[in-house]
Amino acid sequence: QKEVEQNSGPLSVPEGAIASLNCTYSDRGSQSFFWYRQYSGKSPELIMFIYSNGDKEDGRFTAQLNKASQYVSLLIRDSQPSDSATYLCAVVNYGGATNKLIFGTGTLLAVQP
Amino acid sequence: EAQVTQNPRYLITVTGKKLTVTCSQNMNHEYMSWYRQDPGLGLRQIYYSMNVEVTDKGDVPEGYKVSRKEKRNFPLILESPSPNQTSLYFCASSLRRSSYEQYFGPGTRLTVT
Repeated sequence: QKEVEQNSGPLSVPEGAIASLNCTYSDRGSQSFFWYRQYSGKSPELIMFIYSNGDKEDGRFTAQLNKASQYVSLLIRDSQPSDSATYLCAVVNYGGATNKLIFGTGTLLAVQP
Repeated sequence: EAQVTQNPRYLITVTGKKLTVTCSQNMNHEYMSWYRQDPGLGLRQIYYSMNVEVTDKGDVPEGYKVSRKEKRNFPLILESPSPNQTSLYFCASSLRRSSYEQYFGPGTRLTVT
């Protein structure tokens, strides 16, 4: 089992719709969760982070965390073509032996105009 | 402008010919790391450094060397490159090891023939 799992996609949504990106992780001790966006040929950039169960909103983005289910998601409201990118989920366990970010392989989002 | 720079951006080389990919950051960050990104495998950490003269192995260190003689620089050295090291490489830095936001360089696409 991979430590951080994401559906590779592509996830195709029409412009203006809500895009829902999902991520599961295997380490129950994980404490911090991040979403990075990576445009084709570019480097990853951090767009959201969440530490506590529940929802965290930032503009059109909402991160949702459910530690009991070991599940984290990213919702993008009013999706725009400029949101088309690969979204990487990353997880860290600060108390673990390695104490580093573990990345999923990413979900490709395609927003259709 | 706060940034992480890498050079070269693109490199085609032959098996066994030593090469160095440079990485430099101007944010006075303590923590720096190298990743490789391969299709289906995502971002995997090669080496990291928590400060000057302090380096340690990540998940896939075989065939790579690093050094951290100055805080701003963290070069990646391939003493004898092989075709399985063909990949997209990213350098990243953060204020501290426990910092949630990693800043990524623009990437170096390496092809070893």
